[in-house]
Amino acid sequence: KAGVTQTPRYLIKTRGQQVTLSCSPISGHRSVSWYQQTPGQGLQFLFEYFSETQRNKGNFPGRFSGRQFSNSRSEMNVSTLELGDSALYLCASSLSGGANEQFFGPGTRLTVL
Amino acid sequence: GENVEQHPSTLSVQEGDSAVIKCTYSDSASNYFPWYKQELGKGPQLIIDIRSNVGEKKDQRIAVTLNKTAKHFSLHITETQPEDSAVYFCAALNYGGSQGNLIFGKGTKLSVKP
Repeated sequence: KAGVTQTPRYLIKTRGQQVTLSCSPISGHRSVSWYQQTPGQGLQFLFEYFSETQRNKGNFPGRFSGRQFSNSRSEMNVSTLELGDSALYLCASSLSGGANEQFFGPGTRLTVL
Repeated sequence: GENVEQHPSTLSVQEGDSAVIKCTYSDSASNYFPWYKQELGKGPQLIIDIRSNVGEKKDQRIAVTLNKTAKHFSLHITETQPEDSAVYFCAALNYGGSQGNLIFGKGTKLSVKP
């Protein structure tokens, strides 16, 4: 089975721009969670999508949003980028979320200048 | 909400020695505790997990123990090898059921010296 794929792998944006990241989960997995990883804050949960619905949300501002498509692929969007948004954005795929195993993709490295 | 503390932040061992990483959690309702290994430039890789109805789980050179009363769990790696060098993260499910999300510790950078 193919693993979790994320595109693009690297992005450079400037403050004020917006960005869209994509995640393709493992085939058959219906839950996709997004995490932000920074050296200072570590791994922080952004949100989880299951069957095209946001089921859970972390403590991030409304500039961070996402969606999931009928094939379980997910996108996250960050609007009005700030310098502090520079991070590794990881998505994790799971059969149905919760206490099921989550498998991470390689991440998208976002740099905001 | 759930909070996960992880210690130590760095750990250096000689090849062949054992390594132990400890985590504590705050929410007694948490029922799922995975461990991840992250190598440079890669996403976290699930290496072992344990659920609250089990006290210990082993997979070859790695094992995890869980003490629900004390709310702590530990990762044990025996016969360490240089390829075990990486950052290890513990996590706890924020709350039970189908809608929980993982809360991660800050990570432990393990260095195995040949």
